[in-house]
Amino acid sequence: SQTIHQWPATLVQPVGSPLSLECTVEGTSNPNLYWYRQAAGRGLQLLFYSIGIDQISSEVPQNLSASRPQDRQFILSSKKLLLSDSGFYLCAWSVQLEGTIYFGEGSWLTVV
Amino acid sequence: AQSVTQPDIHITVSEGASLELRCNYSYGATPYLFWYVQSPGQGLQLLLKYFSGDTLVQGIKGFEAEFKRSQSSFNLRKPSVHWSDAAEYFCAVGRKGGFKTIFGAGTRLFVKA
Repeated sequence: SQTIHQWPATLVQPVGSPLSLECTVEGTSNPNLYWYRQAAGRGLQLLFYSIGIDQISSEVPQNLSASRPQDRQFILSSKKLLLSDSGFYLCAWSVQLEGTIYFGEGSWLTVV
Repeated sequence: AQSVTQPDIHITVSEGASLELRCNYSYGATPYLFWYVQSPGQGLQLLLKYFSGDTLVQGIKGFEAEFKRSQSSFNLRKPSVHWSDAAEYFCAVGRKGGFKTIFGAGTRLFVKA
C-alpha cells in the first residue's frame, strides 16, 4: 500500500532563517506531488504541484520554492522566512491518471 | 469560475443525531467529488469520492454522500453521529490528475453529549 511521510512535524524558526520541509511517498511510482498551506481557520491553498522530476508548477507568487530531486521526494524551501509564512503545511500525492489526492500528516511552521 | 461552497462554517449536532453537511460546486467539466475529514493538527483523510455511476456513494466511518447534478451539490450524511466525528470536513471538486482540485473552506463539526 502507499504511504506518505513528511517532516519535521513541528518547526519554530526565526524570521529571516531558511526552511526545508521534506516529503516522501512510498508504494507508487511517478505520482503527482503537491504542497498545500493551511492558515489558521482557513481552507487549503495549493502552493506547488509537480508531475515529474524537476517539473514544478507554482500556483501563487511567494517566498517559497519547491524541488523534486527524486521521483517520490518533494521538498519545500525558503531562503528567508517571513512571519506570514507561518501555518500548517501539507504534502500530498495523487496517481497521475486518477484524481484522488492523499495527504501527509502535516508540518506546523511557526515563524517568530 | 470554478468554486466549492460549504455554506456552514460550523455545525453542532447531538451525539446520536443525524448529520448533513452541505457542499455546492461550480465546475465546467463533469467533476470528480470528494469529502475529507481533518482532526486538529492532522492531515486530511479521504472519507469518500464520486467519479461516476451510482450517485449515492458510501465511505468510511459510516458516511455517505449523494451527488445531485441538477443542484450542483454533493452533501455528506451520517445517520448517527458519534463524539469521535467532531472534526473539520472539507468538500473538494476536481478532475483526472488531481492538480486542478479545489477545496471548500471547511465545516467544523461539534458534537454535544
